[in-house]
Amino acid sequence: EIQLVESGGDLVQPGRSLRLSCVASGFPFENYAMHWVRQLPGMGPEWVAGITSRTGGAGYGDSVKGRFTISRDNAKNTLYLQMNSLRPDDTALYFCAKDRSPSAIQNNFDHWGQGTLVTVSS
Amino acid sequence: AIQMTQSPSSLSASVGDKVTITCRASHGIRNDLGWYQQKPGKAPKLLIYATSTLHDGVPSRFSGSGSGSGTDFTLTITNLQPEDFATYYCLQDYIYPLTFGGGTKVEIK
Repeated sequence: EIQLVESGGDLVQPGRSLRLSCVASGFPFENYAMHWVRQLPGMGPEWVAGITSRTGGAGYGDSVKGRFTISRDNAKNTLYLQMNSLRPDDTALYFCAKDRSPSAIQNNFDHWGQGTLVTVSS
Repeated sequence: AIQMTQSPSSLSASVGDKVTITCRASHGIRNDLGWYQQKPGKAPKLLIYATSTLHDGVPSRFSGSGSGSGTDFTLTITNLQPEDFATYYCLQDYIYPLTFGGGTKVEIK
């Protein structure tokens, strides 16, 4: 069974940093691109970042570019999101999501975690 | 960034009805469009990718199409079932940043 388990969400003050983790199991993690998607309650999802399977090439949403960094450790089956210079509008439930197809990134998300809550407030 | 305009934002329908949801891209995205279903308190679920390809296990009452222009897309649900009442989102995966539509909430009439 494929599982994605996020952690690291917390209440933090504006301007501070936070690192989210997502531990994957049930599939060959190193073969799949991975993504972070966030969502405010009652709002639509927003794609945050994606990373390719092996080369680590990454893309970012406009609102997080330059502040957030997506990375992965294939030996630990773990995806990360380093979030710096956090702002109140970064407050959301953050999901990690698995790309549908192995090898070439497809940008379709076929499995999602349960999410980890990030609250940015003074 | 490519803007995805989804309509309607909500609709009411009855079990057995046919429902149509549309998504319009601000620029051409070929057929790089997916549809997701989300129920309260749950993560979104992939229904359709590449405009019209059903993801594994998705019932055939769901279908997707595009106008050929690369800007206009449709999700159709025929014979609406009780478990289909949810919010639906389109997602363009043509170019970064990936962008979602605003969502369509399908409610029980």
